[in-house]
Amino acid sequence: DIQMTQSPSSLSASVGDRVTITCQASQDISNYLNWYQQKPGKAPKLLIYDASNLETGVPSRFSGSGSGTDFTFTISSLQPEDIATYYCQQSYTFGQGTKLEIK
Amino acid sequence: EVQLVESGGGLVQPGRSLRLSCTASGFTFGDYAMSWVRQAPGKGLEWVGFIRSKAYGGTTEYAASVKGRFTISRDDSKSIAYLQMNSLKTEDTAVYYCTRDQDYGALFDYWGQGTLVTVSS
Repeated sequence: DIQMTQSPSSLSASVGDRVTITCQASQDISNYLNWYQQKPGKAPKLLIYDASNLETGVPSRFSGSGSGTDFTFTISSLQPEDIATYYCQQSYTFGQGTKLEIK
Repeated sequence: EVQLVESGGGLVQPGRSLRLSCTASGFTFGDYAMSWVRQAPGKGLEWVGFIRSKAYGGTTEYAASVKGRFTISRDDSKSIAYLQMNSLKTEDTAVYYCTRDQDYGALFDYWGQGTLVTVSS
């Protein structure tokens, strides 16, 4: 089974900061990597699919990149409403999650 | 508008059974695979299993943690997916989400609001 290692597990940043989360696969997964946002008490929401494609309606401050084994999720300018836990996902495996808080 | 609504959660004793339902609307249900994903209290997301569309055989796959105890089925005429959970364990306590999936690869593009299953004596 392919293992997904997501880091960091938690992150504190200020409004307006650039935020980066990484996800590493234990073997080459091409671009089959998706990113989700889960706000407290809510269901997860798909943000990025196939590593870099923005889901319809998702703000352009969110982006994704990478291929092979190393992937990055970026928020270009953190907004208060971005407080959430973010998960990467490959096939039927999720990363451990990154809890994002406002400093 | 795509909507997925789970129902059937609740408190159940260890060893007993429970069936969850996921009622879909806003899309052609029969054209899609459906997955169940769960989240234990304070923990991350865990995929439980999926059922392919009839065009892809309607076959099922399960996580090792539930294989042999959980069964997913679907009724395309009613746009409902089911998760039958037998021999429940305390570690099955979680919020269970129904998600729309793709037959050709895991992509959970729509999620229900979730239903809480608590397994406790």
